[in-house]
Amino acid sequence: EVQLVESGGGLAQPGGSMRLSCAASGFTFSSYSMNWVRQAPGKGPEWVSHIDGSGKIYYADSVKGRFTISRDNVKNSVSLQMNSLRDEDTATYYCARGKTATSACMDVWGQGTTVTVSS
Amino acid sequence: EIVLTQSPGTLSLSPGERATLSCRASQSIITYSLAWYQQKPGQAPRLLIFGTFSKATGVPDRFSGSGSGTDFTLTINGLEPEDFAVYYCQQYDTSRGTFGQGTKVEIK
Repeated sequence: EVQLVESGGGLAQPGGSMRLSCAASGFTFSSYSMNWVRQAPGKGPEWVSHIDGSGKIYYADSVKGRFTISRDNVKNSVSLQMNSLRDEDTATYYCARGKTATSACMDVWGQGTTVTVSS
Repeated sequence: EIVLTQSPGTLSLSPGERATLSCRASQSIITYSLAWYQQKPGQAPRLLIFGTFSKATGVPDRFSGSGSGTDFTLTINGLEPEDFAVYYCQQYDTSRGTFGQGTKVEIK
């Protein structure tokens, strides 16, 4: 079964850091791009970051310079290091698989992990 | 950055009716890299349509996508009770997969 499982969410203070992880199983991980998408309470999804099969990386302007995406094709995992957190980073963060090695069209999603930034 | 604008914000329809959802892009998406997702409360989005026209695995035939350039449409022919949800379009032309703000399809 193709599956993505996120972990690492919780409560962080403004200006703090948090690292999210996503464990993938049931498919050849290195052959697909991976994405992080977040959704603030009551809002639509916001694409956050993309790393393709060869490691090429893209970020939304709202997180560029603060967030870092990485992947480990041996451990079949993707991570999102979030620094300088702001109140507006509060959201459910989803890990999602791209349909191909380079696509940001996402066909498999995790269940999400909640990040709350508050003092 | 390509901005997607969806309309209407809310569509109130009865089961069995046809739903027509619009997504307009701020610039032409020449590669047809336009997707539609369905989201129900408490769930992750689910891919319905990719490449403007193609249905994802397991998506019923009543769902169809169309469009080109800057104007795209999701049509649901004969709404079933499980189709009442929020629908988002997404462009992935640039590997920056921006979403529209969503259309809620609610029971009239």
